[in-house]
Amino acid sequence: EVQLVESGGGLVKPGGSLRLSCAASGFTFSSYSMNWVRQAPGKGLEWVSSIISTGNYIYYTDSVKGRFTISRDNAKNSLFLQMNSLRAEDTAVYYCARDLVVGISGDFGYWGQGTLVTVSS
Amino acid sequence: QSALTQPPSASGSPGQSVTISCTGTSSDVGGYNYVSWYQQYPGKAPKLMIYEVTKRPSGVPDRFSGSKSGNTASLTVSGLQAEDEADYYCSSYAGSNNLRVFGGGTKLTVL
Repeated sequence: EVQLVESGGGLVKPGGSLRLSCAASGFTFSSYSMNWVRQAPGKGLEWVSSIISTGNYIYYTDSVKGRFTISRDNAKNSLFLQMNSLRAEDTAVYYCARDLVVGISGDFGYWGQGTLVTVSS
Repeated sequence: QSALTQPPSASGSPGQSVTISCTGTSSDVGGYNYVSWYQQYPGKAPKLMIYEVTKRPSGVPDRFSGSKSGNTASLTVSGLQAEDEADYYCSSYAGSNNLRVFGGGTKLTVL
């Protein structure tokens, strides 16, 4: 069974940093592209970042470029999101999501339960 | 403002069919056959219901179907059931610089 478990969320002041982690199990982690998707309170979904299976190609939505860094450790079946220079508008539940199929499709077939990031003074 | 436009709400009675639209541009929905749909219950993670415009992942009932015409994609739920009441989001590939964009979501109410 595919399982994705996020951690690392919490309350942080504007301008601060936070590192999210996603522990994966139940599948061959190194074969799949992985993603972060966020949802602000009461709002819709927003794609944040993607990283292909090898880590060689990385993509970001414009609003986080230069502030967020996605990475992965295939040996530890883990996905990360380093978030720097956080702003109030980054407040959201952050979901870790796996592509449905091998390759990069952007079809998020499996999701974690999410971790809440709150940016507030 | 979301990149893709969805109606904020839709509704139907049990057994009826309802269609939710998702309008983009030639740079996303109209340019690629990579539209997906997600179902989300309050407080829960989204679930993939449709991918590549018309395909259903394993386990998704065939009451759910997808289509596309020009810059508008659609999700149709046939034979509405109470359990279909949820928020639905469309998503589209939007090029290598903006991998995926989402719609603002549609709240489906089963009357």
